[in-house]
Amino acid sequence: SQQGEEDPQALSIQEGENATMNCSYKTSINNLQWYRQNSGRGLVHLILIRSNEREKHSGRLRVTLDTSKKSSSLLITASRAADTASYFCATDRTWGAQKLVFGQGTRLTINP
Amino acid sequence: DVKVTQSSRYLVKRTGEKVFLECVQDMDHENMFWYRQDPGLGLRLIYFSYDVKMKEKGDIPEGYSVSREKKERFSLILESASTNQTSMYLCASSLRAGYGYTFGSGTRLTVV
Repeated sequence: SQQGEEDPQALSIQEGENATMNCSYKTSINNLQWYRQNSGRGLVHLILIRSNEREKHSGRLRVTLDTSKKSSSLLITASRAADTASYFCATDRTWGAQKLVFGQGTRLTINP
Repeated sequence: DVKVTQSSRYLVKRTGEKVFLECVQDMDHENMFWYRQDPGLGLRLIYFSYDVKMKEKGDIPEGYSVSREKKERFSLILESASTNQTSMYLCASSLRAGYGYTFGSGTRLTVV
């Protein structure tokens, strides 16, 4: 039961540019989270934004959430080669036991 | 930092074997999860647990079982391994509902 869908599926940019990835979802949520996965490894939690928040920052990351449009975006500013990874959004509809539902991810490539 | 440790990075098993995948977290997290990740299908939830000896089915529990006898350990069991269970298996934990997940590094299982 895929909830979040990322767009684009793949993104390739030059080092130093900004990268924007979008996530859309279908049902109401408690919070939305973004994760990064380097090739062949586990996922790393980046940021969590709650349904009553509209924007959140963490270092070079900026996340927005529009619950009326059921969408979120992740902006990475001043990209670096080390940002090359897959990025996933995950929605949490927790009212009871927690159970994140992940999208299929955006593959981001930063070219030096 | 919370650490989630999966017992093996790579595993090769024969069809019909009983396979145990172990996961240990060291920060007293309530919730633990098993996902599998396949190209084109994203992350799919197999089972999760929100307390010792408690377990709930995820989206694809068929062919799997789990055990959580101690809070820090969550085991995934493939009762009779089949080739369609060849996949990357990811364990994760979270403090409680409304918090982000910490993932292990993953176990790449090949069933031959």
